[in-house]
Amino acid sequence: GAGVSQSPRYKVAKRGQDVALRCDPISGHVSLFWYQQALGQGPEFLTYFQNEAQLDKSGLPSDRFFAERPEGSVSTLKIQRTQQEDSAVYLCASSLVQGISYGYTFGSGTRLTVV
Amino acid sequence: AQSVTQLDSHVSVSEGTPVLLRCNYSSSYSPSLFWYVQHPNKGLQLLLKYTSAATLVKGINGFEAEFKKSETSFHLTKPSAHMSDAAEYFCVHGSGNTGKLIFGQGTTLQVKP
Repeated sequence: GAGVSQSPRYKVAKRGQDVALRCDPISGHVSLFWYQQALGQGPEFLTYFQNEAQLDKSGLPSDRFFAERPEGSVSTLKIQRTQQEDSAVYLCASSLVQGISYGYTFGSGTRLTVV
Repeated sequence: AQSVTQLDSHVSVSEGTPVLLRCNYSSSYSPSLFWYVQHPNKGLQLLLKYTSAATLVKGINGFEAEFKKSETSFHLTKPSAHMSDAAEYFCVHGSGNTGKLIFGQGTTLQVKP
């Protein structure tokens, strides 16, 4: 596709509910990142994939967070037993190759509100 | 560890006047630095990037930034602000070989008519 597509754009979940957030990267992009952006803050790194391999998950805040990219394209970020502190915008980004010099394309994000 | 500090959380300028958004970085090696802009309900957009080539980097929409190693700074400037420049701006440090980005806290730019 022309850009990084994320769905849904908005998600309201009751506390304790499981949610799944989807990211469709640009076709052919090898690297895929997830970031979490709390209100009034800068995005914070969650996890990184190179193709289907999850090479860095050091930013995942707890074991309730899980990400996958089984075929090296679409990725899903799953949050189990959501808590109010999970409320944030979740951003996905992809790049053609590994390495910062090539830059990223960000999606518009999914705004998760836990009530 | 790499980090960036944006020195102002909020900057207000009048339309047609210069813009200065300040950023200091911390890095043990030659950094890769970026400025991103985020308009409400829109994705992050790359304004410009420094990757150890020229120290004065020109970006889109008339923005530029100067890398100053002696001051560990990477301030963003624009000679004349437009109303459409009102947005959130992030100074960003690239980390390692994976391309993980470390974002500053952001600066909200307000442009008054």
